[in-house]
Amino acid sequence: QVHLVDSGGGVVQPGKSLRLSCATSGFTFSSYGMHWVRHAPGKGLEWVAVIWSDGNNKFYADSVRGRFTISRDNTKNMLYLQMNSLSAEDTAVYYCARDFYGGGRDPLFLFDFWGQGTVVTVSS
Amino acid sequence: DIVMTQSPDSLAVSLGERATINCKSSQSVFYRPNNKNYLVWYQQKPGQPPKLLISWASTRGSGVPDRFSGSGSGTDFTLTISSLQAEDVAVYYCQQYYTTPLTFGGGTKVEIK
Repeated sequence: QVHLVDSGGGVVQPGKSLRLSCATSGFTFSSYGMHWVRHAPGKGLEWVAVIWSDGNNKFYADSVRGRFTISRDNTKNMLYLQMNSLSAEDTAVYYCARDFYGGGRDPLFLFDFWGQGTVVTVSS
Repeated sequence: DIVMTQSPDSLAVSLGERATINCKSSQSVFYRPNNKNYLVWYQQKPGQPPKLLISWASTRGSGVPDRFSGSGSGTDFTLTISSLQAEDVAVYYCQQYYTTPLTFGGGTKVEIK
């Protein structure tokens, strides 16, 4: 079965950094684009970033571009999100999610499997 | 950005009755070259991540019961639960994947009356 396990969340002060991780299993990780999606309290779901299966292409939401970096290690089946210059607006549950398309194709930008989420709270 | 507007925000339906959720996009998500609507529905139960229900506006995901159906095209879409079950209590979201940035509807909370 496909499993995605998010980790790395916590309480962090404004302006600081945090790195999220997503451990995956049960599928050929290197064949799938991967995403981060967040859900802020009292707000809707917000797509954050995508990385192509080979790691060569990345794309970000305007709200995080220049501050967040998505990366992956296909030898370890791991996905990461480096978050810098955090602010209160980044407080959310962060989910890693697998793209619907596999086989090394360009991501379709919908999500067929999600991690359980990791909570990030930015507060002084 | 494409704005996705769901209605109602919440609804309460008796067990076995029909539940209907609407989703409207601010511009068409229909791609004529492949005749597909780039619209997906997710279900999120309390304490769980979202689950893919319906992609391409009307294609049920793997293992999704056939009481769930999706319809619509262009800018107007509907998710229907034909006979509400207790396990269907959840928040339902639509999302367009026609263009970036991906955008979600605000969600519709479905409860038992």
